[in-house]
Amino acid sequence: DAKTTQPNSMESNEEEPVHLPCNHSTISGTDYIHWYRQLPSQGPEYVIHGLTSNVNNRMASLAIAEDRKSSTLILHRATLRDAAVYYCILRGLTGANSKLTFGKGITLSVRP
Amino acid sequence: DSGVTQTPKHLITATGQRVTLRCSPRSGDLSVYWYQQSLDQGLQFLIQYYNGEERAKGNILERFSAQQFPDLHSELNLSSLELGDSALYFCASSPTGAWTGELFFGEGSRLTVL
Repeated sequence: DAKTTQPNSMESNEEEPVHLPCNHSTISGTDYIHWYRQLPSQGPEYVIHGLTSNVNNRMASLAIAEDRKSSTLILHRATLRDAAVYYCILRGLTGANSKLTFGKGITLSVRP
Repeated sequence: DSGVTQTPKHLITATGQRVTLRCSPRSGDLSVYWYQQSLDQGLQFLIQYYNGEERAKGNILERFSAQQFPDLHSELNLSSLELGDSALYFCASSPTGAWTGELFFGEGSRLTVL
């Protein structure tokens, strides 16, 4: 299985941008990069996903390196509600690699 | 609100007992997934059902079983419970049997085995 590497934790200030990095040096050509987050006492929640190009949605932006060996989830203005564990996950198109396999994620703390 | 409903939210039981966790997927979703989250193992995929049939299996113990009913709700049965089975159990749903789309998770059922 292609693996991702994330820092254990990160702190940010409220209303400032947050850049959450993810390394995935063994990514294959058909692996999508997915991000989920888990707020305290809740189930995981989809954030964003992409393949090669940068992606934007109402929650966040995903910046993917040209060689696809790393990516960055960008929260444009962090709020206290964004404090959560963020999971960077590689998903293939078929078989076992298409499963949503969670790692340890990165714990984001947001200071008021 | 993801639209996925799990009951009960909390459950306390003793070792050796049997419990059933229930999941109602989002309206129209045909796939149901079960995950276990414990402090030491993180989020682990257990099993997937699609339209009543088992579709994929993960790290599910033989003491655990699941099924999906014609109305598409699912139940996870945990038997001969051990202390180590204490965990959060999440159900997720998606429209299709493929893993390529977004999964919608419920708020979980917290099981405590004493």
